[in-house]
Amino acid sequence: ETGVTQSPTHLIKTRGQQVTLRCSSQSGHNTVSWYQQALGQGPQFIFQYYREEENGRGNFPPRFSGLQFPNYSSELNVNALELDDSALYLCASSPTGATPYEQYFGPGTRLTVT
Amino acid sequence: AQTVTQSQPEMSVQEAETVTLSCTYDTSENNYYLFWYKQPPSRQMILVIRQEAYKQQNATENRFSVNFQKAAKSFSLKISDSQLGDTAMYFCAFIPNFGNEKLTFGTGTRLTIIP
Repeated sequence: ETGVTQSPTHLIKTRGQQVTLRCSSQSGHNTVSWYQQALGQGPQFIFQYYREEENGRGNFPPRFSGLQFPNYSSELNVNALELDDSALYLCASSPTGATPYEQYFGPGTRLTVT
Repeated sequence: AQTVTQSQPEMSVQEAETVTLSCTYDTSENNYYLFWYKQPPSRQMILVIRQEAYKQQNATENRFSVNFQKAAKSFSLKISDSQLGDTAMYFCAFIPNFGNEKLTFGTGTRLTIIP
């Protein structure tokens, strides 16, 4: 167990709707990254937050946004859902001052857009 | 930009045998980390082994070892004495030793251990 939890486990939404996915990290993990994993593919980096500020973004449109809170929880918000947004969404947190390899992954949220 | 390539979509091996998973990568960086992650059906990504590019010695973790060839940009994973619990997706991943901690993953190899 990594101590990183995500909710919900599964989610079904309709095209055009909005969705919020949640991640809870361990105490002291000031960095959180979000990844999208399409079926049969490796995870793709969406963005990273450090101390509540965005700290890097991958090749994803602005309708993907995030928030990080002081209590080590974070959110991924996706607006105007498209069918291609169907994927497993993973969050990964890192302790303060960690070397680059110390990323702890949650179990993911499976999003299905119909 | 960095890329990671895993050319074996699926592999299977008998229990107790040895299997090697291949990974190649492309980068202009000189200092970086390479990883193998395991993703079982439970979906939780688990770190199997890591290699720091400036270390010439290949990393080992119990039954897992790597063959790191920096000049060839190759990073293969060897699993010895394979066990049923090794059945999972295996992802090779790269991260530079600076900037944000963005992992770049390959497309994965589905490994099945046959009883």
